[in-house]
Amino acid sequence: DQQVKQNSPSLSVQEGRISILNCDYTNSMFDYFLWYKKYPAEGPTFLISISSIKDKNEDGRFTVFLNKSAKHLSLHIVPSQPGDSAVYFCAASERGRADSWGKLQFGAGTQVVVTP
Amino acid sequence: NAGVTQTPKFQVLKTGQSMTLQCAQDMNHNSMYWYRQDPGMGLRLIYYSASEGTTDKGEVPNGYNVSRLNKREFSLRLESAAPSQTSVYFCASSEGGSSYNEQFFGPGTRLTVL
Repeated sequence: DQQVKQNSPSLSVQEGRISILNCDYTNSMFDYFLWYKKYPAEGPTFLISISSIKDKNEDGRFTVFLNKSAKHLSLHIVPSQPGDSAVYFCAASERGRADSWGKLQFGAGTQVVVTP
Repeated sequence: NAGVTQTPKFQVLKTGQSMTLQCAQDMNHNSMYWYRQDPGMGLRLIYYSASEGTTDKGEVPNGYNVSRLNKREFSLRLESAAPSQTSVYFCASSEGGSSYNEQFFGPGTRLTVL
């Protein structure tokens, strides 16, 4: 039973435009959310995170929005660049849980292709 | 600083063979994790080690064993490989505790079981 869902397996966007990646979750105990980026033949790398006490976090071209009532988060990339072509994973954690030990639940990923 | 290293990068096994995937980190992290990545499934946690000397099951532990050899190293063993264990395996580490969830990943091991 996947508690974190990324329903769009792929996204194609033109260079310079906005990329919007979506993620839904079912576990209301999740209180910390992360996005990871993965290039082929490499491990995922951390991109940006957001705590459940916030509804927005921005880091350069990347912004994550959290809508707790809808159990939904999104990642905006503005402007999109060719180097952003990668798989993006949404992940969630129950940081407030004593035995969470940093465990993450990952979504299935969204393949982003940025075209010139 | 190598970060998280994994060996081997690729491996082909026959059904029933055993092997150990090695992982080491040089960031003095307390917690380490093993994931598998399958198409359409994302990353699923196999086992984790919250701190040196402890290990615990994750979401998909069947068919695997782990050893936290010391603070740096965390190995994953397949005792009798099955085709269903064909996957890409990632090791990760983090500072540990509830305050930090950023995990740093190794480059992965691509395993094929025939």
